[in-house]
Amino acid sequence: EAGVVQSPRYKIIEKKQPVAFWCNPISGHNTLYWYLQNLGQGPELLIRYENEEAVDDSQLPKDRFSAERLKGVDSTLKIQPAELGDSAVYLCASSLVGGQYTGELFFGEGSRLTVL
Amino acid sequence: AQRVTQPEKLLSVFKGAPVELKCNYSYSGSPELFWYVQYSRQRLQLLLRHISRESIKGFTADLNKGETSFHLKKPFAQEEDSAMYYCALLRQGGKLIFGQGTELSVKP
Repeated sequence: EAGVVQSPRYKIIEKKQPVAFWCNPISGHNTLYWYLQNLGQGPELLIRYENEEAVDDSQLPKDRFSAERLKGVDSTLKIQPAELGDSAVYLCASSLVGGQYTGELFFGEGSRLTVL
Repeated sequence: AQRVTQPEKLLSVFKGAPVELKCNYSYSGSPELFWYVQYSRQRLQLLLRHISRESIKGFTADLNKGETSFHLKKPFAQEEDSAMYYCALLRQGGKLIFGQGTELSVKP
């Protein structure tokens, strides 16, 4: 089992450029999360999907960030245009929720973004 | 506001010494709390959850509702325990909120 797979692992772009991150969750996991982790901070939820539906996107800056989870499996997180303050690690996680959340999330290795 | 606070950014102990990583929370409902760990060059993973009342790798954590705390403890630290530790709170509705993390460094 490969676990949650994210790509790219590292990305360096100039400000105002677009960037996209991809996540493939653990097979069978219906819930997918995107977290933002700034240096020296804990992960902060950006968006949570149950299957294809975004059930919590209150922390997603919708002016420049967008996400999708087509067919309820893979997900893409996009930033357009990127700003200097977007430099961070973007974590994807998945879990199997069968009517009740357990709090056990399985994380990917993260995508580290540097905006110059 | 629902919040998780880890007051120590860095905790340094010698091998064999007891260790306690502090976690305080604020939550109006009945809390479900967790400890996650991230070892060097590895992904973030669940260490233990309060509801299971389990001991994992010698670590335990007791929920103290009176003090709104969920401190992580181990009587004898090992070098392989060196890692980042995050306390997390599961809100009703499924949102998992993390603290800022504590880096544990166990010196030989």
